[in-house]
Amino acid sequence: QKEVEQDPGPLSVPEGAIVSLNCTYSNSAFQYFMWYRQYSRKGPELLMYTYSSGNKEDGRFTAQVDKSSKYISLFIRDSQPSDSATYLCAMMKGGGSEKLVFGKGTKLTVNP
Amino acid sequence: SQTIHQWPATLVQPVGSPLSLECTVEGTSNPNLYWYRQAAGRGLQLLFYSVGIGQISSEVPQNLSASRPQDRQFILSSKKLLLSDSGFYLCAWSGTSFTQFFGPGTRLTVL
Repeated sequence: QKEVEQDPGPLSVPEGAIVSLNCTYSNSAFQYFMWYRQYSRKGPELLMYTYSSGNKEDGRFTAQVDKSSKYISLFIRDSQPSDSATYLCAMMKGGGSEKLVFGKGTKLTVNP
Repeated sequence: SQTIHQWPATLVQPVGSPLSLECTVEGTSNPNLYWYRQAAGRGLQLLFYSVGIGQISSEVPQNLSASRPQDRQFILSSKKLLLSDSGFYLCAWSGTSFTQFFGPGTRLTVL
């Protein structure tokens, strides 16, 4: 079983839709969870980060972490064509270990 | 504010040729530095990381090496490139928080 699993998609939605992106993981030691957005041929850009379980909201983006289920989600409300990108989840154990483990990314297209 | 630079942006090299990719960070001191490779369908693979000048940890044994000659400079090298070295190479840095920030990347094609 891979440490982090992420459905690669592709995911295609109409403009204005609510998008749900998800990752599952197997290592219960992960404590820090991140979402990166990567446009084509560009470096990943940090979108959201959370520590332990719970929700975090930033504008149209909401990150959720359920450590009991080893499941994290990123929700995008009122999706826009500019949200079209690949979304990567990443996680880390913390406690001095700074190695991020990434999912393979989900490619999202928002159609106008 | 902090910025991270990588060059070159794109590179086409023949098999067996040497490689040198450079990454520099501005606006911070004593960053942790990372080299990743992103291949199609394989996600981000950590190659090397460094917590200080001259301190390099290798994650994946291969024909690549890394060096950190200055606090904010990180170099990825190879003496002889293989076809399998093709990919998108990303440099990242982190400070006192756990978050990593990525550079624009170098797209390497080995022919």
